[in-house]
Amino acid sequence: GDSVTQMEGPVTLSEEAFLTINCTYTATGYPSLFWYVQYPGEGLQLLLKATKADDKGSNKGFEATYRKETTSFHLEKGSVQVSDSAVYFCALTTGYNFNKFYFGSGTKLNVKP
Amino acid sequence: GAGVSQSPRYKVAKRGQDVALRCDPISGHVSLFWYQQALGQGPEFLTYFQNEAQLDKSGLPSDRFFAERPEGSVSTLKIQRTQQEDSAVYLCASSLWGRWSALIGAYQPQHFGDGTRLSIL
Repeated sequence: GDSVTQMEGPVTLSEEAFLTINCTYTATGYPSLFWYVQYPGEGLQLLLKATKADDKGSNKGFEATYRKETTSFHLEKGSVQVSDSAVYFCALTTGYNFNKFYFGSGTKLNVKP
Repeated sequence: GAGVSQSPRYKVAKRGQDVALRCDPISGHVSLFWYQQALGQGPEFLTYFQNEAQLDKSGLPSDRFFAERPEGSVSTLKIQRTQQEDSAVYLCASSLWGRWSALIGAYQPQHFGDGTRLSIL
């Protein structure tokens, strides 16, 4: 079945450090891949997406590249800020199964000043 | 409103009580999803509606859980005879996904509400 595995947290970084959050997936068909972010007390927000192999999604300085050969969609940011502290979820949908989303367990990021 | 609205934001109930959680999707969104998010976990699919039709309820954990969307817009998730293990955040999401999306295999982003935090004492 379809599933997403992401690195466990929490991840604690100092401001301006480089961030990588690993995400790998298993899917039937050709999935679209997403990163969602959940700030404290708020709902899930779409951060970025990629809909086919080798696509790079980017937003707010975050990037992730859809790697079909390694079934990965790692999230990266060159210089994190305190305001990036949140929980990040990797997710996929195949689009065929009524757009049902499968989420990873989330990775909490703490950025210290 | 502009986004998905859920109410109440917080609900505390005693074990054995029935609860009803409401979701107001984005206007015009065909698809509506309910997810359950346990503490420290990602959202887990519960059920899906396309307009008023409930097309998949495979994620509902027991027959105590019931969802409806009678007019194809607002949806209600009802939990009967609540148990402590029902304590979680219940998320609603809506999207434009519909039959045309399926035909071309196109994704549609899901827009999430802020959730209802349910605590069963």
